[in-house]
Amino acid sequence: AQSVTQLDSQVPVFEEAPVELRCNYSSSVSVYLFWYVQYPNQGLQLLLKYLSGSTLVKGINGFEAEFNKSQTSFHLRKPSVHISDTAEYFCAVRSGGSNYKLTFGKGTLLTVNP
Amino acid sequence: DTAVSQTPKYLVTQMGNDKSIKCEQNLGHDTMYWYKQDSKKFLKIMFSYNNKELIINETVPNRFSPKSPDKAHLNLHINSLELGDSAVYFCASSPQTADTQYFGPGTRLTVL
Repeated sequence: AQSVTQLDSQVPVFEEAPVELRCNYSSSVSVYLFWYVQYPNQGLQLLLKYLSGSTLVKGINGFEAEFNKSQTSFHLRKPSVHISDTAEYFCAVRSGGSNYKLTFGKGTLLTVNP
Repeated sequence: DTAVSQTPKYLVTQMGNDKSIKCEQNLGHDTMYWYKQDSKKFLKIMFSYNNKELIINETVPNRFSPKSPDKAHLNLHINSLELGDSAVYFCASSPQTADTQYFGPGTRLTVL
């Protein structure tokens, strides 16, 4: 079975500050990891994904994440946030093989204040 | 060009009614999904179809029945609606080997 834990339900930050949104996963097999963003009243949009290769993954809008197998983590970071980054962020895991099932964390609401 | 579209965007109905939500994707993907997002934003897979074949069927009441008339469409029919069915329902699609899933804008269902 696979699961995802997002340790913070809400993260308030000031504009231009750095931010880290934490994500830990559990799976008995190899994993593929994703971060999605959901802006208010919209669907989910892929920010970045880790499938294999380099453990540092860069995504859209200046976000990046690092896959750490020993700590089973996939934390999302941005060095300087903007007001427009205010949204709900979801970490998700899919196990390797033919399992199409994507399991989401409960989400972290990032609020960027002026 | 909308990649994954859903209709309707909003659906308000009375308990006990039957309703359908439609989903269409123009990405040429083989796999489509239905998710339910509750009031706390928790997102959970309900169903998945690959080439019109059901491949994921989570623990969902049998009042919910997905139907895939072709690869580009996956509809969700809900019988005897209950208050607890109120949620946002998202459709998504992905290539057959399923890494990135592309989500529709969601359908907000409110059961009164």
